[in-house]
Amino acid sequence: DAGVIQSPRHEVTEMGQEVTLRCKPISGHNSLFWYRQTMMRGLELLIYFNNNVPIDDSGMPEDRFSAKMPNASFSTLKIQPSEPRDSAVYFCASSLGQNLNEQFFGPGTRLTVL
Amino acid sequence: AQSVTQLDSQVPVFEEAPVELRCNYSSSVSVYLFWYVQYPNQGLQLLLKYLSGSTLVKGINGFEAEFNKSQTSFHLRKPSVHISDTAEYFCAVRLSRSSASKIIFGSGTRLSIRP
Repeated sequence: DAGVIQSPRHEVTEMGQEVTLRCKPISGHNSLFWYRQTMMRGLELLIYFNNNVPIDDSGMPEDRFSAKMPNASFSTLKIQPSEPRDSAVYFCASSLGQNLNEQFFGPGTRLTVL
Repeated sequence: AQSVTQLDSQVPVFEEAPVELRCNYSSSVSVYLFWYVQYPNQGLQLLLKYLSGSTLVKGINGFEAEFNKSQTSFHLRKPSVHISDTAEYFCAVRLSRSSASKIIFGSGTRLSIRP
């Protein structure tokens, strides 16, 4: 099993540019989570999907952030326009069925906005 | 709402010494409890979890944790640490009676092992 796959692993962009982060969950998992990790705020849940439907997006910081899950094997997190304070490591995680008790994390995308 | 507190942001210990990483939670209803580990430049991995039953839970890599309901704690322990245990450890909590409730993570404890 390849585990959760995220791309790109590193992204450096300039303020104002659009950024798209991608995630492929583990095959068969139907819950998917997007987290942001920073030194100041720790690990924050941004949004999670179950069966491709957003269940809780209360952690999405503002309208500049959007997430989609068009099918069971793919999700994107988009930031438009990006700002320096968006610099962080973004993790995607997935879990099986309604069992949210074991989430499998991807390696993360390190985003730097200059 | 539930919350979790990790009092120690950093814990330095010598190799082969015992270690305890502290975690306290707050919730008015029953919860599930977790410890995740994050090695440098990697995502989080589940170390162990308490759902029900025995309050002493054993996880991977020789770690164990004890659920103490009266003290609302779930401290992580290992009798003898190795250099390879250098990582950040996150305690987490989730409501047990809500299938849609999300996991809330603590702020993390960085464990550094000295040779």
